[in-house]
Amino acid sequence: DVKVTQSSRYLVKRTGEKVFLECVQDMDHENMFWYRQDPGLGLRLIYFSYDVKMKEKGDIPEGYSVSREKKERFSLILESASTNQTSMYLCASSLGGGSGANVLTFGAGSRLTVL
Amino acid sequence: KNEVEQSPQNLTAQEGEFITINCSYSVGISALHWLQQHPGGGIVSLFMLSSGKKKHGRLIATINIQEKHSSLHITASHPRDSAVYICAVPLNFGNEKLTFGTGTRLTIIP
Repeated sequence: DVKVTQSSRYLVKRTGEKVFLECVQDMDHENMFWYRQDPGLGLRLIYFSYDVKMKEKGDIPEGYSVSREKKERFSLILESASTNQTSMYLCASSLGGGSGANVLTFGAGSRLTVL
Repeated sequence: KNEVEQSPQNLTAQEGEFITINCSYSVGISALHWLQQHPGGGIVSLFMLSSGKKKHGRLIATINIQEKHSSLHITASHPRDSAVYICAVPLNFGNEKLTFGTGTRLTIIP
């Protein structure tokens, strides 16, 4: 019954490593999101995709890139991981349509530690 | 861009108490979301509402569009309700991107 799947629950990486976080949804949703969640700061949007190969920057895109080659898959890439990217990363998806009134479905999250 | 404020930040109550969590926002919206996150767990959507009131079991969500305010109520609270409750609204009307409150950490003591 899992609908949004994040590939890794826990990761430990070294500073400077390239990190891939994968997210797959099986609900045929147009919209997909990557957030990071830090204590006291809440959820902050890194990138948003509203269609295959389409993306928009969120609040904190610096140091991240994304890829959406297929509708069901949205990848977050840290080109050169840094310690300040240690965080919980959450993927979510929703129907499209531009209404702003679509329920979000979240993945379980990926906790990344950069040493 | 919408600004979201939740209160209280932390709330501890005895089992059985009636719980109210508040959310205010600054810009008109198409819908407001209430989310729940258990410790170590993922986030689930509880409600999405654009007017009036919605009820699901012991949870009730209300919204006043004119006052830009929403409340989440829990009746007959139970320890399993202990979680972080998060309010979220679109950046502006019709925007798919949401902005989130910092959450209310609720602890229900048996």
